[in-house]
Order: sequence, then C-alpha cells, then structure tokens
Amino acid sequence: GAVVSQHPSRVICKSGTSVKIECRSLDFQATTMFWYRQFPKKSLMLMATSNEGSKATYEQGVEKDKFLINHASLTLSTLTVTSAHPEDSSFYICLVPGAGYGYTFGSGTRLTVV
Amino acid sequence: AQSVTQLGSHVSVSEGALVLLRCNYSSSVPPYLFWYVQYPNQGLQLLLKYTSAATLVKGINGFEAEFKKSETSFHLTKPSAHMSDAAEYFCAVSDQADSGGGADGLTFGKGTHLIIQP
Repeated sequence: GAVVSQHPSRVICKSGTSVKIECRSLDFQATTMFWYRQFPKKSLMLMATSNEGSKATYEQGVEKDKFLINHASLTLSTLTVTSAHPEDSSFYICLVPGAGYGYTFGSGTRLTVV
Repeated sequence: AQSVTQLGSHVSVSEGALVLLRCNYSSSVPPYLFWYVQYPNQGLQLLLKYTSAATLVKGINGFEAEFKKSETSFHLTKPSAHMSDAAEYFCAVSDQADSGGGADGLTFGKGTHLIIQP
C-alpha cells in the first residue's frame, strides 16, 4: 500500500474558527483519496471522496460547505472544517488507495473544538 | 450496495486462547475484503486483505482470515491471543477493482473490541 502522512495529529481550536487537515501520499500518485470521520466508539463514516482535478463527491448528509475538500495534486488532499463547532469534534482519517488494493490510512487527526 | 456486519461489539478471550472475530458481508459483485486493527488514539493498520487469490489469507501478528463465499463470511482468527492484541478490529469491503484511479472507498463494519484477559 501507499505510504501516507496525515497532519496535524491533534488540534484544538476555538468555536467559529477553521481547521485544515492534510493528507499526503508519499510514494503513490493518488487520483482518489477518501475522508472518514470516526465518532467515539463508533465505526468509520465515509464523508467524501476527494478527486484530483475535480470536485469532491460528498456522502449523503455531509455538508459540503462545512467540510471543504481540495485535492490539489496527485499526492495531497486537504480537508478544511469551516466555522467549527463543538459537535464537529471527532477523529478524522484519510484513506489512500494504493496499488494492489493496498488501502492505507493516515494516522488520523483528533479535532477538539472548544 | 455493499455492507458489512460484525457480530459482537465486544469479544473477550483469555490470554493464549483462540481469537475469533466474525465478519459477514453483502456485495452484489465479488468482494475485496479487509481487516484493520486500531489501537487507542491511533489510526487504522491493515492486518490482511482478500483480493480473489487464495481464500485463506495470512496477515500480520499471527492473524489469518478465510473467505467463504457460500457463507458470505470473512472471519478473523488467531490461534493464541496475546495481551498486545487488545484493540478495536474492523472488517471492511470494497467491490470495485483498483484500476489505478477512481477506486471506491471501503465500507466498514461497526467494529469489534477485543479484550484479552490475563
């Protein structure tokens, strides 16, 4: 699978501010990346599919204006949580599909909105 | 549409005992199946994957899983549990081929928390 770097690993922000999370594929050019959200003691919910060179595809119920996704290059996708509120506090993880069905997760970002 | 069911949100076994974590899937096409492990406050690590080759798949840390089409199952096993195996385990399915781009995301089960008793 791909080698994936995600940062920051933890971030605390004030309510109303925006937070950017980066996901980098270090050794694989990924035209597609995925963003998941994990609630406490819950499974992973697919938020959106990040597509290089085109708009992201959002899952039903996910606010595209709240969670901005930019797939700037074949190795970088960013998720920006805009005007964050305490209910946005969660663990966000990117997933990169590499060669040979080698789906690799980033290390995750723990977002806490205070 | 594809889905994954993991039976048992919590499984408790004694150290040295057999570990069996159950996973059943639903997919309209031949699936690709995965098991991931997540330690507290960490990301997910791939344990093993089935991609239409051998039905018995061996992964890291002594885990293995067997794809049984007739039972639509992909149960995860380990002969002898270690304390370090305590974690959350997720089964996932994808039914799209990886063409080098445009791959589908994975659909996850709700996870099974494995508890190892000394």
